Amino acid sequence: AQRVTQPEKLLSVFKGAPVELKCNYSYSGSPELFWYVQYSRQRLQLLLRHISRESIKGFTADLNKGETSFHLKKPFAQEEDSAMYYCALLHITQGGSEKLVFGKGMKLTVNP
Amino acid sequence: NAGVTQTPKFRVLKTGQSMTLLCAQDMNHEYMYWYRQDPGMGLRLIHYSVGEGTTAKGEVPDGYNVSRLKKQNFLLGLESAAPSQTSVYFCASSSLGLAREQYFGPGTRLTVT
Repeated sequence: AQRVTQPEKLLSVFKGAPVELKCNYSYSGSPELFWYVQYSRQRLQLLLRHISRESIKGFTADLNKGETSFHLKKPFAQEEDSAMYYCALLHITQGGSEKLVFGKGMKLTVNP
Repeated sequence: NAGVTQTPKFRVLKTGQSMTLLCAQDMNHEYMYWYRQDPGMGLRLIHYSVGEGTTAKGEVPDGYNVSRLKKQNFLLGLESAAPSQTSVYFCASSSLGLAREQYFGPGTRLTVT
């Protein structure tokens, strides 16, 4: 069965510290993974997707199929990074439709 | 281009009352989704639609019904609200194809007393 696990609910760091938000997945097919972010009083939005291999707002995430992980990293956290972060897995049903399976989310707080 | 909009933004219901949440998107997206967001539970898919006139169950469909009569609208109905349905509801849409971005609405905060 498809599953996304974000093992930590909360992470608090000081500005300038490195951050790593963990995400592990379980999926029988070829995984397509995403990170979504929800800033305070804003709607969820896509942060990055693994197939793009891009860096957004200084964040990167590498898909590790051996460890079934897709951890989100940033070398120097900023206060504006404080938000809820959700890891998500694209699931293709037997009927061919597409759904996202979300983890339970993690709240990142970056202190001044 | 408004993106994804949701109506209403807030609502308080009494147990047993019914209501409909409206989601609208102006991006001509094929896919539309309804999620609920609860503390510690993340986002859970209620129902989704892969096109006009089609709907499918998600992870937590019980107590909800949906309709997609027009491509741009996706309605979520609660026939007999229960306190367990107190939540924040998000609608999202995406275009066809793999790894497409989902665009989210601002959310509807529903309280059932």
